[in-house]
Amino acid sequence: GAVVSQHPSRVICKSGTSVKIECRSLDFQATTMFWYRQFPKQSLMLMATSNEGSKATYEQGVEKDKFLINHASLTLSTLTVTSAHPEDSSFYICSAGGGGRDEQYFGPGTRLTVT
Amino acid sequence: AQKVTQAQTEISVVEKEDVTLDCVYETRDTTYYLFWYKQPPSGELVFLIRRNSFDEQNEISGRYSWNFQKSTSSFNFTITASQVVDSAVYFCALSEFNTDKLIFGTGTRLQVFP
Repeated sequence: GAVVSQHPSRVICKSGTSVKIECRSLDFQATTMFWYRQFPKQSLMLMATSNEGSKATYEQGVEKDKFLINHASLTLSTLTVTSAHPEDSSFYICSAGGGGRDEQYFGPGTRLTVT
Repeated sequence: AQKVTQAQTEISVVEKEDVTLDCVYETRDTTYYLFWYKQPPSGELVFLIRRNSFDEQNEISGRYSWNFQKSTSSFNFTITASQVVDSAVYFCALSEFNTDKLIFGTGTRLQVFP
């Protein structure tokens, strides 16, 4: 199967700082990438859909100015959590699709802790 | 609106028991896809199966089997002869034909005890 990586796997930051999470498709070109958030013992909630070269589409209730998404190339999408607060602490997971593939392939996730 | 319901929050079984995880979905589309994913404690989602709405054949893969019933909008997952390594959270998900967005159920935490 295809490989999707995320970096970093864990990050701890102070309240008010910004954190960037990278999602890379390592062996295929992903025309679409998705960002999900998962709170402890809860389900994955789609935050936004990111298409290469265009603006991301955010789900209802997700602040686009707080969660900045950039899909600059067919193998890289970034999620920046701006002015992070403790309530942003969560597990962030990306997935990549497209390039002729039927399924989405998920990254290993990034655990963000805001102190 | 799309919705996926996994009514079982947690299931505990003893090794070698069979266990079925339920999934009920709602969608207005006639063309859609259903998925099952496994999330072990490490957090990484493991893809198990993808099924399109026109294929109601049941599927078996080793100890795993899936029962898709359009009449009841259900896509249940059975693990036969469960093993401790099957302990994980299992998510059922739905996507409609013209979008790749996945709508996840709330997940079922399966614990298999030795």
